[in-house]
Amino acid sequence: SYDLTQPPSVSVSPGQTATITCSIKNFGNKYVCWYQLKAGQSPVLVIYQSNKRPSGVPERFSGSISGNIVTLIISGTQPVDEADYFCQAWDTTTVVFGGGTRLTVL
Amino acid sequence: EVKLVESGGGLVKPGGSLRLSCVGSGFNFKIAWMNWVRRAPGKGLEWIGRIRSRSDGGATVYAGSVKGRFTISRDDSKNTLYLQLNNLENEDTAVYYCSSDLSASGRFDYWGRGALLNVSA
Repeated sequence: SYDLTQPPSVSVSPGQTATITCSIKNFGNKYVCWYQLKAGQSPVLVIYQSNKRPSGVPERFSGSISGNIVTLIISGTQPVDEADYFCQAWDTTTVVFGGGTRLTVL
Repeated sequence: EVKLVESGGGLVKPGGSLRLSCVGSGFNFKIAWMNWVRRAPGKGLEWIGRIRSRSDGGATVYAGSVKGRFTISRDDSKNTLYLQLNNLENEDTAVYYCSSDLSASGRFDYWGRGALLNVSA
């Protein structure tokens, strides 16, 4: 079965770099997306195809991939980045989300 | 400006039915693949299903947890996506989001703010 595994929580100090990992199991397609979700708001796509940033997303958001690990990197983390982050992968028959990571900026 | 607005949520008894709607604007709705995703209280995101654009065949595909109970459809003349939920269970309580995939590439470009469904006796 497909599986995307994320750490439940990550903490970072303001101005530091936050890294959130997503371990991919059994997906041949490594094109992972990342979404930011804040309470009461619409989810926002922040990274697609593992390392591409949509227009309008701050440059401090980036992504990398190494083997079966895809990483969301937030450089110079700001308090406004505190949110839940989900990785996501897909194929022609299914879409799978990781369990989500709560990013705390303190 | 791209907008997706869900409606139709509410309180439903177990075994009941409900239809959610999602109206899209600011983009070419008819060519978008559209998805429903939900988030139960205290849980993560769960993909429910997808409908392709009519030009790509209009096929639907569902997550195993809802297959046979939920049905996705679309009315491109109204820029509206639907989710018919039948035989509801307590575990279906969640915020339901619609999302657009504008390039048929598996990425969810835009999302609505969600509609809350509470299944409870």
